[in-house]
Amino acid sequence: DAGVIQSPRHEVTEMGQEVTLRCKPISGHDYLFWYRQTMMRGLELLIYFNNNVPIDDSGMPEDRFSAKMPNASFSTLKIQPSEPRDSAVYFCASSPGQGWWDEQYFGPGTRLTVT
Amino acid sequence: AQSVAQPEDQVNVAEGNPLTVKCTYSVSGNPYLFWYVQYPNRGLQFLLKYITGDNLVKGSYGFEAEFNKSQTSFHLKKPSALVSDSALYFCAVRDDNYGQNFVFGPGTRLSVLP
Repeated sequence: DAGVIQSPRHEVTEMGQEVTLRCKPISGHDYLFWYRQTMMRGLELLIYFNNNVPIDDSGMPEDRFSAKMPNASFSTLKIQPSEPRDSAVYFCASSPGQGWWDEQYFGPGTRLTVT
Repeated sequence: AQSVAQPEDQVNVAEGNPLTVKCTYSVSGNPYLFWYVQYPNRGLQFLLKYITGDNLVKGSYGFEAEFNKSQTSFHLKKPSALVSDSALYFCAVRDDNYGQNFVFGPGTRLSVLP
């Protein structure tokens, strides 16, 4: 298996532009998680899905952020409009979700820079 | 609510010496505990986990962790550190009262000096 795939790996954009981050989870995994990592705040859970349905989006910073999972093999995280404070590394992770013992498998991340 | 603390931002150890990276947690239900490692410009990689049973858990790359229920700790250990172990280490907890999401600690940067 190729693992969790994220694209793009790096994104540089100007303030006010729309940014879309993409994730392909491991096949057969029922759970998908989006995280943001910054020096100041560490690793934060933004949202997670179970069987393509959002379960907890309490970590989404504000209405500028939205996430979708139209099918079991694809998810997007969109920021519109982007701001410099959104600069971070965004990780996608997936988990089989068969039990509490399941670990999460992380993608390589997307490094977002908003100028 | 669930929480994780990693009391040390940075741990320095000489190559060949034993290393310990500390983690304490707080949950209301049963804890499921995990350690991850992050190398520069990479995603998090799973090292090991505690579910139930033996308090000493063995994982990848020679790492092990000891679960201590009375002290609510799950410290990561390795008998002999390698320079290549230098990385950022995260402890995470899942509380079975709160669903499938993890809570991650702030991370501890391990530097193994040659």
